[in-house]
Amino acid sequence: DVVLTQTPPTSSATIGQSVSISCRSSQSLLDSDGNTYLYWYLQRPSQSPQLLIYLVSKLGSGVPNRFSGSGSGTDFTLKISGVEAEDLGVYYCVQGTHDPRTFGGGTKLELK
Amino acid sequence: EVQLVESGGGLVQPGASLKLSCVASGFTFSDYWMSWVRQTPGKTMEWIGDIKYDGSYTNYAPSLKNRFTISRDNAKSTLYLQMSNVRSEDTATYYCTSTTVALFDYWGQGVMVTVSS
Repeated sequence: DVVLTQTPPTSSATIGQSVSISCRSSQSLLDSDGNTYLYWYLQRPSQSPQLLIYLVSKLGSGVPNRFSGSGSGTDFTLKISGVEAEDLGVYYCVQGTHDPRTFGGGTKLELK
Repeated sequence: EVQLVESGGGLVQPGASLKLSCVASGFTFSDYWMSWVRQTPGKTMEWIGDIKYDGSYTNYAPSLKNRFTISRDNAKSTLYLQMSNVRSEDTATYYCTSTTVALFDYWGQGVMVTVSS
């Protein structure tokens, strides 16, 4: 199975600060069809996860543009440009290129 | 507005069976792949499996495919997860998810399953 390693496990930020979360894959996520099936989700406290980013860098419906995704191959980054209070929670990366689909271990974003 | 509402969870004894349901609304259910994902009490996320929009194909996590079965009834806009021979490690919150534009783009509120004697 593809292992996704997220760093850091916990990130502390002040409101307005920019933060980055890394997701490193044990295998390339570039599919034979040319797409890279790497996704980012946010799970706020006591809520279900919600889609933020799909196909590495495409913004999900209704997602603020302070969120951005980048990367290729095995290294990916989620950046939040100017953290807001509603951004606190756990961030997960997911890969859909290889079966079985796998999740990263999560990065908890908390207030400093 | 897309809504996914799971039901059928609860306390179940080891070795028993349980069937979860997920009623979808706000989109044309029969047009899209659907999936089940679970989250353990320790917050680890695990993909269970997917089902094609017409129910003709299913794909499972290898560790679960012998005990879990995903099905759907498009006339009722309902997704199902049949769990058999449940074990303590199946204790988790189970989420129904859709793939309309992207993988897992909408999630239900989740339903808790606790396996204990």
